[in-house]
Amino acid sequence: AQSVTQPDIHITVSEGASLELRCNYSYGATPYLFWYVQSPGQGLQLLLKYFSGDTLVQGIKGFEAEFKRSQSSFNLRKPSVHWSDAAEYFCAVVLNGSGGSNYKLTFGKGTLLTVNP
Amino acid sequence: DVKVTQSSRYLVKRTGEKVFLECVQDMDHENMFWYRQDPGLGLRLIYFSYDVKMKEKGDIPEGYSVSREKKERFSLILESASTNQTSMYLCASSLAPRGLYNSPLHFGNGTRLTVT
Repeated sequence: AQSVTQPDIHITVSEGASLELRCNYSYGATPYLFWYVQSPGQGLQLLLKYFSGDTLVQGIKGFEAEFKRSQSSFNLRKPSVHWSDAAEYFCAVVLNGSGGSNYKLTFGKGTLLTVNP
Repeated sequence: DVKVTQSSRYLVKRTGEKVFLECVQDMDHENMFWYRQDPGLGLRLIYFSYDVKMKEKGDIPEGYSVSREKKERFSLILESASTNQTSMYLCASSLAPRGLYNSPLHFGNGTRLTVT
């Protein structure tokens, strides 16, 4: 069965420090990959997505993510975290080419980011 | 910008009540989704719809039904609310027609439902 794993439930970093949030998936083929962010009291907002091509993708708010096929990973990074980045981050995966009633976007359980001043 | 609007931000209902959660999107999206979000469990798909009057079960459809009479509106129905349905409910929509799944989801701000 398809699955998405975010190993870190909660991460705390200092403002200005670098950030890496981990995401691993289990599929036979390369899926479509997404990172979403949820600020307190809000719905989810798309940060970035990977479908094919360059394995390093740039997103909004200074985030980037790198797809590594050999590790089945799609980790999210930011070189310098701002206090406003405090939120919950979700990795999501949909199987490339899946269709019809089998379409499902599978979310990880999320990583809560706390930013210390 | 795509706007997905959920009619209620907070809702308190009693056990056994019939509950309607409404969601409207303004960008003519084909696909609409209902998720519930619980601490430690992430987002779980309840139902989705890829066209008017079409619906598909997600991972946890039990105790829920949906209605999509118009393209822009997708309703989640709790026929007889129970306390274990206390949760945050998120509606989402996406542009991709059936068969193309490279369009991201646009989410509403959620409805926090409490069943007492």
